[in-house]
Amino acid sequence: QVQLEQSGPEVKKPGSSVKVSCKSSGGTFNTHAINWVRQAPGQGLEWMGGIIPIFDATNYTQKFRGRVTFTADKSTDTAYLELTSLTSEDTAIYYCARGGGYSYGPDFDYWGQGTLVTVSS
Amino acid sequence: EIVLTQSPGTLSLSPGERATLSCRASQTISNSYLAWYQQKPGQAPRLLIYGASRRATGIPDRFSGRGSGTDFSLSISRLEPEDFAVYYCQQYGGSPMFTFGQGTKLEIK
Repeated sequence: QVQLEQSGPEVKKPGSSVKVSCKSSGGTFNTHAINWVRQAPGQGLEWMGGIIPIFDATNYTQKFRGRVTFTADKSTDTAYLELTSLTSEDTAIYYCARGGGYSYGPDFDYWGQGTLVTVSS
Repeated sequence: EIVLTQSPGTLSLSPGERATLSCRASQTISNSYLAWYQQKPGQAPRLLIYGASRRATGIPDRFSGRGSGTDFSLSISRLEPEDFAVYYCQQYGGSPMFTFGQGTKLEIK
């Protein structure tokens, strides 16, 4: 059974950066994409992009390009999201979600429990 | 961008009734790459349906999906108390690669 375990909640100041981790177990980490989806308080789901570890390939949505970086440590089966220049609008729950084999999609079959990032002065 | 519009925004029904949720796309979704997720308060979304009509592992057969092109639906044949939640549709293949609908809240009447 695949499990994605995310790091704990974060409180950050505006202008700072945050790094969230997502450790995979029970599956084949290298060959499946890890996507990142965020959910602002009381709002819907927003795909930020993803990474396919075996290819070291990344895909970022236009909205976050230049401000977000996805990495993957194949030695520990852990994916990371780093988001810089934080503003209050980045306050959200950040989820990692497993995509397809050798592909970002077409859907997300396993999800992490989510990491709440709060940006406040 | 492929915009997914879900309706209704809120659906109020009683346990035992049938629920039908709609998801309409602004452009044709190729290969029926349309999925449905259920999200309960304080939990991550859970995959219910993929490929428009295939149930994910462990999903009860009271959940069914159908549709193609731009019109898709999720039906729950006999509502159980644990089915009251928010449901999202999601497409794959546009630009951006994934988009979600705004969600339908299924609440107890």
